[in-house]
Order: sequence, then structure tokens, then C-alpha cells
Amino acid sequence: ETGVTQTPRHLVMGMTNKKSLKCEQHLGHNAMYWYKQSAKKPLELMFVYNFKEQTENNSVPSRFSPECPNSSHLFLHLHTLQPEDSALYLCASSQGTGINSPLHFGNGTRLTVT
Amino acid sequence: GNSVTQMEGPVTLSEEAFLTINCTYTATGYPSLFWYVQYPGEGLQLLLKATKADDKGSNKGFEATYRKETTSFHLEKGSVQVSDSAVYFCALSVGTGNQFYFGTGTSLTVIP
Repeated sequence: ETGVTQTPRHLVMGMTNKKSLKCEQHLGHNAMYWYKQSAKKPLELMFVYNFKEQTENNSVPSRFSPECPNSSHLFLHLHTLQPEDSALYLCASSQGTGINSPLHFGNGTRLTVT
Repeated sequence: GNSVTQMEGPVTLSEEAFLTINCTYTATGYPSLFWYVQYPGEGLQLLLKATKADDKGSNKGFEATYRKETTSFHLEKGSVQVSDSAVYFCALSVGTGNQFYFGTGTSLTVIP
């Protein structure tokens, strides 16, 4: 399998639930990202990991907790979310973190918080 | 600061029509510029890029030229197809840490 794979594709959870999103990249990249995509808004960068080290936390609420056990896997742990957190969550990877390193995206997890 | 502004959609065109989607940017430093495309139910895919002034990125019949003097990176295609129906995002990358800034996206629908 190639590219960036995200699971699950769809997730519905209550505000008191705990769930996790998973991302795996098969491109040999060393940087991984979480983005939030909401309607009518630019993509919002949430977290960046470079060689498993978190290099960016874009003022994300603590109810979102990332984990990067190695350069190929990235998780986003969710707990006590709010309805406004409903969105498409996109994982991406890149070869490096220089400005010429394009992002490669997965197909996203559509999250609905009820 | 850094930001991207792209034309509001949605855009509806007939097959074989000419497409232009406008994109302008503000950036501190010298950015690289990108167009991404998102088909229904999928993530974003890189369509083309340009890394310095006057560079032209091209792919699948789409083109965009990095215009530093007008801080623009407009996307064009001479003859669109139904399969080009998607949302198109203009983006820039600048500075260390691969900071990407995306526009809000422009939805394109091509009708037969």
C-alpha cells in the first residue's frame, strides 16, 4: 500500500467519549501533520512532527492529544470534544520541513460530535 | 503576515470552457506557491507548484505562473472536463518548519 492512509473514514462520538484517529504513511517521509478542515475556512494546522519530535502545536485545545511513535505513524487522541470540533481531520506527510517539501494528504476522517 | 486569498466560488463552467481561478498572497520572505485539488470524499492532492518568481508550474493541462510583482499565482486551464470538478486550494509555504498557509478553496463544477 502506498501513500497516506487514515482510519477510520467516518467517526461519530458523544461529548464524553474517548476515541483515536490513526494515520500511516508509506512514503518514507520524516514529517507528519494534523490539519482540521471546516467548511468555508482555510485549513487549520494543528500539530507538526519532524522525526517523531513535535515541532508545532498551533494553540490546539488539550482535548486533542497527538502521538507520534515513529516517523510512519501518527495518532490523534480525542476526549470530551465539543460539537464545534466536528470537521474533516486530515493527516499529511512531507519529506522534510523545507519550503519546497510539498504535503501529501490522506483522505481524512470525517468526525461528528453529538 | 502570511496569507492567501482566492476567488470565492462556486464556479460552474461548461465542458471545454477556459478556467481561471485567481489567487493572491502576502508573505514575509520568499515563499513557494502551490495549487492543491480535493475531489469529493478525498484528501488534498498536489496539483502543481512553483518555487521562485516567474516559474510556471504545470500538470494535467493546468498552469500557474509565480508573479512576484503582482503577488499572484492564478490557476488556468484551457479546456476543462467534467472530471475536473473539485475544490481547488491555493497555498504558500514560507520560513522554516514547512509552514503552509491555505486559501479557503474554490469549488469548480463542470457540466457536460
